[in-house]
Amino acid sequence: QQQVKQSPQSLIVQKGGISIINCAYENTAFDYFPWYQQFPGKGPALLIAIRPDVSEKKEGRFTISFNKSAKQFSLHIMDSQPGDSATYFCAASWLGGYSTLTFGKGTMLLVSP
Amino acid sequence: NAGVTQTPKFRVLKTGQSMTLLCAQDMNHEYMYWYRQDPGMGLRLIHYSVGEGTTAKGEVPDGYNVSRLKKQNFLLGLESAAPSQTSVYFCASNKDRRDTQYFGPGTRLTVL
Repeated sequence: QQQVKQSPQSLIVQKGGISIINCAYENTAFDYFPWYQQFPGKGPALLIAIRPDVSEKKEGRFTISFNKSAKQFSLHIMDSQPGDSATYFCAASWLGGYSTLTFGKGTMLLVSP
Repeated sequence: NAGVTQTPKFRVLKTGQSMTLLCAQDMNHEYMYWYRQDPGMGLRLIHYSVGEGTTAKGEVPDGYNVSRLKKQNFLLGLESAAPSQTSVYFCASNKDRRDTQYFGPGTRLTVL
C-alpha cells in the first residue's frame, strides 16, 4: 500500500522556468512533510519541510504548498537552474505517532540550459 | 565531522553468499535507518533503530538482519543473498524523530 503518491516520474524544464512536483497522501494523521533532493551518486539531503499548520513555506527559490483538505502538497522551484537537476523525493510521517518517514517514488528533474 | 559513512561503497556477491554493510555516524544520533533504493520505487525502509541495542522492522525487512551494538554503528546483514537484493542501500540517522534525517553516500550491491 503506497501511502505517498508522487508525480510526475520525470520532468524537463527550461532554465528559468518553474518546476512543479506534486504529492498526495492517504493517512490523515501525517503531520510532517519534507522534501529531499538527491544528486547522482549521492545520498538524499533535506531540501525543505512543512507542517500542516501552514499552507505555504518558502526558502529561496523553493516553495512548498500544502492543501490539507485535498491531502496534497507540492514543491515549486522558481527560476529553475541546471544545478537543480536531481531526483526529488517527497515524504510524510506522523511525528505524534512515532512513525518513520514514508517516501514517494521520486521525480527526476532535468533543467535544460 | 564525517557525518554518516557507509562501508563498502560497491560490492558484487554471488547468490547465496553473505555479507554485512556497515553504517557509522559521528553525530551522536540516537536513531539510525537502513533503506534500499530501486529504480522507480523510491526509498523503502528495511530496518531501523531508536537507540543502542534496539532494532525494529521497516517496510521491507525480509532477507535482512540488523544489529546496533554500539550507538554510532548500525550493521545490515544479508545471510543468503538473492538477485532481488540487488539495490543501492542507504543508511541515515537523526537525533530524534523530529530531526532531519542525514543520509550516507550509499552502497551499490549487485547479486549475481
